[in-house]
Amino acid sequence: DQQVKQNSPSLSVQEGRISILNCDYTNSMFDYFLWYKKYPAEGPTFLISISSIKDKNEDGRFTVFLNKSAKHLSLHIVPSQPGDSAVYFCAASIQGGSEKLVFGKGTKLTVNP
Amino acid sequence: NAGVTQTPKFQVLKTGQSMTLQCAQDMNHEYMSWYRQDPGMGLRLIHYSVGAGITDQGEVPNGYNVSRSTTEDFPLRLLSAAPSQTSVYFCASSYSSYWGYTFGSGTRLTVV
Repeated sequence: DQQVKQNSPSLSVQEGRISILNCDYTNSMFDYFLWYKKYPAEGPTFLISISSIKDKNEDGRFTVFLNKSAKHLSLHIVPSQPGDSAVYFCAASIQGGSEKLVFGKGTKLTVNP
Repeated sequence: NAGVTQTPKFQVLKTGQSMTLQCAQDMNHEYMSWYRQDPGMGLRLIHYSVGAGITDQGEVPNGYNVSRSTTEDFPLRLLSAAPSQTSVYFCASSYSSYWGYTFGSGTRLTVV
């Protein structure tokens, strides 16, 4: 039973445009959400997080939106750059305990020059 | 700072062999975890630790053992390797439960 779902295995966008990566979750107890980026042959890199008490968090070109009623979050990258091409993982935890993260399967983003 | 260091980077084992994957961090992080990543799957938590002497099981703990005798080190032991344990293993550490984890570069393990 997959608690964190990333339904799009891949996404392709043009350089300079917006990339929107989506994530759905089923466990209403999740209250802390994170996005990680992963390049081939490297470990995941933490990007941005959001607590359930917020509906938006911004860090430079990256913004995460949380819709608790829909159990949905999204990562917006504006503007997209070729260096953003990577696999993006959504992760969630309960009561802020990120020692027990539950990850989605990931979305491979390709940004075309 | 080296961050999170995993050794070895690659390993081939025969079924039934045992081995230890090493993980060390130099950031004085209390929280450390082991994940495995399989093709088409997200990362799945094997074991985690919230401090020296404290460990707990994650989602897929069977066939693995951990201990945390120091803050810096969190080794993962495969007791009797099976082909189903062929995977990429990531170790991660964090300053607190409200902080993003720093991951190592991974160990690619093949069990034949």
